[in-house]
Amino acid sequence: GNSVTQMEGPVTLSEEAFLTINCTYTATGYPSLFWYVQYPGEGLQLLLKATKADDKGSNKGFEATYRKETTSFHLEKGSVQVSDSAVYFCALSDRGGNQFYFGTGTSLTVIP
Amino acid sequence: DTGVSQDPRHKITKRGQNVTFRCDPISEHNRLYWYRQTLGQGPEFLTYFQNEAQLEKSRLLSDRFSAERPKGSFSTLEIQRTEQGDSAMYLCASSLETGGAEQYFGPGTRLTVT
Repeated sequence: GNSVTQMEGPVTLSEEAFLTINCTYTATGYPSLFWYVQYPGEGLQLLLKATKADDKGSNKGFEATYRKETTSFHLEKGSVQVSDSAVYFCALSDRGGNQFYFGTGTSLTVIP
Repeated sequence: DTGVSQDPRHKITKRGQNVTFRCDPISEHNRLYWYRQTLGQGPEFLTYFQNEAQLEKSRLLSDRFSAERPKGSFSTLEIQRTEQGDSAMYLCASSLETGGAEQYFGPGTRLTVT
């Protein structure tokens, strides 16, 4: 079946540090991959996505590349800010968008 | 359109009571999803609708849970004979009918069963 395994947190970084949050997946077929973010007190919102192998999603300085050979979709940012403090969820959907599977979330705290 | 809305935002109920939650999706979205999220976990898929048809149901959706989307617009999720284990955040999301389409989430309804 389909599943997502995400790096456990919490993660604490200093401002301007490099961020990597690991995400690997198990899926049949060719899923679409997503990173969602949940800021404190807010709902889930899409951060970036990739719909096929070797695609790179990017937004707000965050990037993730769809790696079929390693079944991974790691989230990276070169220089984090305090405002990036949030919980990050990796997710996949089957090709038809019939079901979504989320990881358990990784809490990130960025300190000044 | 202001996005996906859910009502109520919080619900406290006694064990054994029935509760109903409402979700209003983004108007042009024909897909609507329900999820359950407990503390420290990611959202768990419960069910989804395409227009008014309920197309997928998770095994997490026991017989006490029922969802409807009668006119293909808003949806309701009812939990009968609530149990303490039902305490969670119930999330609704909507999307367009395309593969790889992103889901837009509502703020959630937090249910506490005492």
